[in-house]
This record gives sequence, structure tokens and C-alpha cells, in this order.
Amino acid sequence: DTGVSQDPRHKITKRGQNVTFRCDPISEHNRLYWYRQTLGQGPEFLTYFQNEAQLEKSRLLSDRFSAERPKGSFSTLEIQRTEQGDSAMYLCASSLGGGIEAFFGQGTRLTVV
Amino acid sequence: AQSVTQLDSQVPVFEEAPVELRCNYSSSVSVYLFWYVQYPNQGLQLLLKYLSGSTLVESINGFEAEFNKSQTSFHLRKPSVHISDTAEYFCAVSDLSGLTGGGNKLTFGTGTQLKVEL
Repeated sequence: DTGVSQDPRHKITKRGQNVTFRCDPISEHNRLYWYRQTLGQGPEFLTYFQNEAQLEKSRLLSDRFSAERPKGSFSTLEIQRTEQGDSAMYLCASSLGGGIEAFFGQGTRLTVV
Repeated sequence: AQSVTQLDSQVPVFEEAPVELRCNYSSSVSVYLFWYVQYPNQGLQLLLKYLSGSTLVESINGFEAEFNKSQTSFHLRKPSVHISDTAEYFCAVSDLSGLTGGGNKLTFGTGTQLKVEL
């Protein structure tokens, strides 16, 4: 068990560019969550998958954001036309169906310049 | 909807001194409660959780937290801190109704930076 893995760990991009992040959950976990953490704040829920189905999306997830989990395993989070306000740590977490505890990855830190 | 308040953004403390990090929550339904720790440029690690049963929960590294339903609090304490405890600590709640399909959305506080000094 290697835990939740996120790639890349850091990403610097120019405003207006598209970026994509990847999350590999713990292998047997069917639930996957994305959170965003801005400087000085706690993580905020973005979206949630059960297997390949995206079941909930926060109002924080604007139209420029899209998340997928095509085969119920890894997930990607894409941000189109990045803005400086998108600069944040993007955290992925996974949990086992019926389990309460969520396990977090180390996050992807995005800097939009 | 739930909310979490961590009133102390920073708590400086000397090594071997006791510490308490405060957490209050608001919810119209019963909740699960968690404390997570975040080291610099790292993700979140679960420190301890309250699901049900005994209101006092303990972690393996000496932290404890007590659920107080009447005061809607879940304060984190350690009787003697170590330099290695320097980190940011987040209190979080998850309501029992969960998300569609049974997922559990965590609502976090803004965090408390614990700085242990020699």
C-alpha cells in the first residue's frame, strides 16, 4: 500500500494555460475526493466520485474545472484558462466504501503567474 | 450545513509545555469529528477521530481530544509537546448523512499553526 499518490507535486503555469493533475487513490478505495486549499485556509471540498460516477460537485467548481475518473481508479482534475485565483494546493483523498476515514495525498501545489 | 471555528491561528509554546488547540463546530445534525495534521508542503494526516462512544479519544503520539456535545467543541490537547509537533493542525467535521452514495464530505476549520520553541 503506497497511499494516495498525486502528480505533479508542483506546477507553475502562465495565466490562461490549461493544467491537469492526476490522483491515484489507494487501490481498493472506491471513493475519491478533491479538495482545494488556499494559503491560510483549510481545505475546501470540490468534488466526489464513487467508482467512476461523479456524484457531487461544489459551487467552487466553476465551468473551467472538470474532473474525471474514467475507470473508477485514478482521477484527473483539469483547469482550463487558469487564473491567478486558481493558485492553491489541490488535495486528493480516498476512502473505502462504508469507511469514515479519508486518506489524503501530498497534494499538487499550483502557482499561476 | 456545518462549520468549524478554530479561533487561534497561531499557538507558540515551549518544548515540554502543555498545549490546547481549540475547535468549535456548528451543525444541525450529529457529526463525526477529526483532527488532521499538516507538515510543510505535505498533505493531511489523520491525527485522531471521534465517531461514537467514549468522548475522549487519543492518538499514538500523545495527543488527545475530548468531544463536548453541549459546548459543541473538540479541543486538542497534549501534556508535553516536542519540537517535532511543529505543524498546522486542522479540525474537521463530517455529518452522518454524508454525500450522495454515502461519501463523507469534510468541512475544515482554518487551521492552527503550532510552533514549538526550545
